[in-house]
Amino acid sequence: ETGVTQTPRHLVMGMTNKKSLKCEQHLGHNAMYWYKQSAKKPLELMFVYNFKEQTENNSVPSRFSPECPNSSHLFLHLHTLQPEDSALYLCASSQDPLAESSEQFFGPGTRLTVL
Amino acid sequence: SQKIEQNSEALNIQEGKTATLTCNYTNYSPAYLQWYRQDPGRGPVFLLLIRENEKEKRKERLKVTFDTTLKQSLFHITASQPADSATYLCALGSARQLTFGSGTQLTVLP
Repeated sequence: ETGVTQTPRHLVMGMTNKKSLKCEQHLGHNAMYWYKQSAKKPLELMFVYNFKEQTENNSVPSRFSPECPNSSHLFLHLHTLQPEDSALYLCASSQDPLAESSEQFFGPGTRLTVL
Repeated sequence: SQKIEQNSEALNIQEGKTATLTCNYTNYSPAYLQWYRQDPGRGPVFLLLIRENEKEKRKERLKVTFDTTLKQSLFHITASQPADSATYLCALGSARQLTFGSGTQLTVLP
């Protein structure tokens, strides 16, 4: 596998629920990312963390709240989501986002369904 | 606005042939370009990187070209096999971000 794990793999939640997605990387990387992948659409970058500091937030609604307690773990806290938030949420890591060509290592994703 | 287009949503080819996938972009000056493979229910997996000052890169049966004048990258799989069936994503990189195309779903028919 890629060295990036995500839990849960599948999640069904109501619009009033609060849940969290977890990502862990075992590669010693310094940067971690959250992406959203909807059917037939490109991956959308949501958040970037570099050395535990958030460096990018691509206009993501506040109902998505990231947390990066250390460089190996990344969470995405979800609350009062909408049905259009249903998608595959992918976590990735790379050695250094500032490096010109850091390849990204992706986890298997969490398939989220909002009812 | 920046735009990345991958030639078609789906491409079917016969086993043994060369598959050619296209990635075109506009309003963008990437420093490098990456190609990823994604299988159903899995995250993308990195395949190849090519920088703006490179014309061509090869890795086993894979070849990537990068033409910054045409604003296009071509991704070739020679001697294709059914196991090559997957969705292939191009991603343009600059500064600290990768911007992905929507992918081309390749099916290699036995």
